[in-house]
Amino acid sequence: QLQLRESGPGLVKPSATLSLTCTVSGDSIGSSIFYWGWIRQPPGKGLEWIGSIYYSGTTYYNPSLRSRVTISVDTSRNQFSLKLTSVTAADTAVYHCARHPAGGNNWHPFDYWGQGTLVTVSS
Amino acid sequence: DVVMTQSPDSLAVSLGERATINCKSRQSVLYNSNNKNYLAWYQQKPGQPPKLLISWASTRESGVPDRFSGSGSGTDFTLTISSLQAEDVAVYFCQQYYSTPFTFGPGTKVVIK
Repeated sequence: QLQLRESGPGLVKPSATLSLTCTVSGDSIGSSIFYWGWIRQPPGKGLEWIGSIYYSGTTYYNPSLRSRVTISVDTSRNQFSLKLTSVTAADTAVYHCARHPAGGNNWHPFDYWGQGTLVTVSS
Repeated sequence: DVVMTQSPDSLAVSLGERATINCKSRQSVLYNSNNKNYLAWYQQKPGQPPKLLISWASTRESGVPDRFSGSGSGTDFTLTISSLQAEDVAVYFCQQYYSTPFTFGPGTKVVIK
């Protein structure tokens, strides 16, 4: 059974860097048919895709966040990570990691999600 | 970006009655080369992550009750719950995966009348 679990600080100061890790169990992150993504959800609001990464390191980012986001992968630890720089209160959200299949030039929806972790930006 | 809208914002339905949620994309999410609509529906209950219900606009995921159905093509889509059950109380989101950035609708909250 595939499981994804987010981990990282729950409180980040304004202007600092938010860092989260997603640990995958039950499947290899090095599988060639999946991308691994981050999606966030401000409290009581909708969903925003942040970006996705392939095991090879190929990344796709939301242009609205591209200048501040880095997603990386560590296949030896079966983990992928998110860094978001220069955070403000607007970055307060539940951050989910998720898997989505991909093949050729075709994308697929997010079929497995982590429970999510709340990150609050506050001094 | 492909902007997604949903209607209504919230919906109160009696147990056993039909619930209908609409989703529109500002541009078509139908990929002509394979005639597939790159549109998914998710269900999110409080304190839980979204759960994928339907992909390709109308394909139910394994284990999803058949009272859930998706329809539509191009820019206009519908999620129907044919006979609402108490466990269906949730927020429902549509999502396009036709192109990056992937975008979600704002959500429709379904409650019991």
